Amino acid sequence: DAKTTQPPSMDCAEGRAANLPCNHSTISGNEYVYWYRQIHSQGPQYIIHGLKNNETNEMASLIITEDRKSSTLILPHATLRDTAVYYCIVLVSGGYNKLIFGAGTRLAVHP
Amino acid sequence: SQTIHQWPATLVQPVGSPLSLECTVEGTSNPNLYWYRQAAGRGLQLLFYSVGIGQISSEVPQNLSASRPQDRQFILSSKKLLLSDSGFYLCAWSEGNDEKLFFGSGTQLSVL
Repeated sequence: DAKTTQPPSMDCAEGRAANLPCNHSTISGNEYVYWYRQIHSQGPQYIIHGLKNNETNEMASLIITEDRKSSTLILPHATLRDTAVYYCIVLVSGGYNKLIFGAGTRLAVHP
Repeated sequence: SQTIHQWPATLVQPVGSPLSLECTVEGTSNPNLYWYRQAAGRGLQLLFYSVGIGQISSEVPQNLSASRPQDRQFILSSKKLLLSDSGFYLCAWSEGNDEKLFFGSGTQLSVL
């Protein structure tokens, strides 16, 4: 599986958009980009995933560059409850899922 | 709907004592099951995964073992705990070829 690089920490004001970047320059053509988040002392929570098209759901939007070497998770209106560690993971679709979590980005949303 | 139960939420055990953490999943059949560990301030480490009853794969050599006696039951065990076994243990499941993992609420284990 390809490796990812994320900034260790970011800050965001409440109500503003939080844009979390992820570099995955060695991603293969059949690897998806997944995003999870982990609020303190809880299990990680699935947010969104995509292959090459931009995706949007009730939680967030995922923007993947045309060359697929990087992506951005967008929380359109961050709230204090969005304070968490956000993990970007790439993996091949199909079969069992050996998610390998990196260090992630610690997002702090402040009033 | 599917739910995952993991217990206990917290556990304090002396060094050298045995360990048994249990995880059960409801509302699905033949799930893929996983045990992860998270040391304080660190990322998640995959310990074991299982694609079926009695089928266990270990990701890293360690003092722990896993078993899957029933389709939706996953147990993490140790015969003698070490100080380094302290951490936050998370059970997770996924369906077939679906890549989304669903995590339990975790067990905070302190070995003293």
